[in-house]
Amino acid sequence: GENVEQHPSTLSVQEGDSAVIKCTYSDSASNYFPWYKQELGKRPQLIIDIRSNVGEKKDQRIAVTLNKTAKHFSLHITETQPEDSAVYFCAASSGSSNTGKLIFGQGTTLQVKP
Amino acid sequence: DTAVSQTPKYLVTQMGNDKSIKCEQNLGHDTMYWYKQDSKKFLKIMFSYNNKELIINETVPNRFSPKSPDKAHLNLHINSLELGDSAVYFCASSPRLRQNEQYFGPGTRLTVT
Repeated sequence: GENVEQHPSTLSVQEGDSAVIKCTYSDSASNYFPWYKQELGKRPQLIIDIRSNVGEKKDQRIAVTLNKTAKHFSLHITETQPEDSAVYFCAASSGSSNTGKLIFGQGTTLQVKP
Repeated sequence: DTAVSQTPKYLVTQMGNDKSIKCEQNLGHDTMYWYKQDSKKFLKIMFSYNNKELIINETVPNRFSPKSPDKAHLNLHINSLELGDSAVYFCASSPRLRQNEQYFGPGTRLTVT
């Protein structure tokens, strides 16, 4: 069935370092890959997304890369700051169902130490 | 202005009760969703509606019934609440059915005792 695997489950970095979170997906028809940031007790917020016709997208300190052949995509955060600490979720669209359905990864808890 | 809003924010109730959660979006979006986030933070789709039409109906107990009176509102009614229903329930919306960007509401933390 449709599945998204996300690694690592926890990640601790020093302020100023880079952080990378990786996801793999199973549905070869998936064509949309968003990333969400969820702070403690808050809603998931869309921070960046990428579609299958693009290999990389960048927005200030965050970037996402997509390798369709290998069916994996990654989130890169540079110059991390304490306010980047949160749970990050990747997701992939369910391409086969064409219903707008997103399959979420299990989440990565990022801790940025000052 | 709040884009996607939910009420109530917290809901504490006893097993066997029936409760509803309401969701409203003022973004003019066509599609709305209900997600359940369990204690391990896993986000799972439950239902979606597009212009008041049920689109996604995942394998959830039939004690859960969504209702969309218009495309700006999607409510979730839960009958005969069980301990395992305790979770955070998020509503979300997206502009159109196949335009996948989804924007989440603040969540409703349901605790069943």
